[in-house]
Amino acid sequence: EVQLVESGGGLVQPGGSLRLSCAASGFTFSTYWMSWVRQAPGKGLEWVANINQDGSEKYFVDSVKGRFTISRDNAKNSLYLQMNSLRAEDTAVYYCARSVVISAFDMWGQGTMVTVSS
Amino acid sequence: EIVMTQSPVTLSVSPGERATLSCRASQSVSGNLAWYQQKPGQAPRLLIYGASTRATDIPARFSGSGSGTEFTLTISSLQSEDFAVYYCLQYKNWYTFGQGTKLEIK
Repeated sequence: EVQLVESGGGLVQPGGSLRLSCAASGFTFSTYWMSWVRQAPGKGLEWVANINQDGSEKYFVDSVKGRFTISRDNAKNSLYLQMNSLRAEDTAVYYCARSVVISAFDMWGQGTMVTVSS
Repeated sequence: EIVMTQSPVTLSVSPGERATLSCRASQSVSGNLAWYQQKPGQAPRLLIYGASTRATDIPARFSGSGSGTEFTLTISSLQSEDFAVYYCLQYKNWYTFGQGTKLEIK
């Protein structure tokens, strides 16, 4: 079965850190760009970051630059999002999603909830 | 940054009728536009990419049109499972989503 499964979400205090993971299966992970997209409670969708097939290119939305890093391990078919200096406004469901180069996201995981609160 | 504006915010339509959703870009995105459907508690599902190409397994009642700055998603005959929130996404210059249109039962 072709799928993406996120994990690692939870409750964290402001200023804290969290590492999200996304496990891919059923397709050739190493041939796709991968992204993280988030959705605050009751709000719309926001692209957060993406990474190319071999990890040599990484891009971020301005609001997370310098705080979040994205990485991947093609041998483990896994994508990661390291989130540092977390703020209340980072509270959201975080989805991993795949795309062919810079194009529409054609597959999404089920999401993992991150709550930043004291 | 390209800003995507969807209208209306909420659309009330009866089952069996046609629904027309709009998406406007602040600058041209050519045909780099996708539409997604999202139901409560679920991830978004790709409906349309390249402004008018249906994704795999998407019913023919869903169609997309437009180019440049004006785009439309049309659902020709609404089924009960179509009532959801719909988002447009531009991928001409990185990624920005519209704020969504909630399609509700009239």
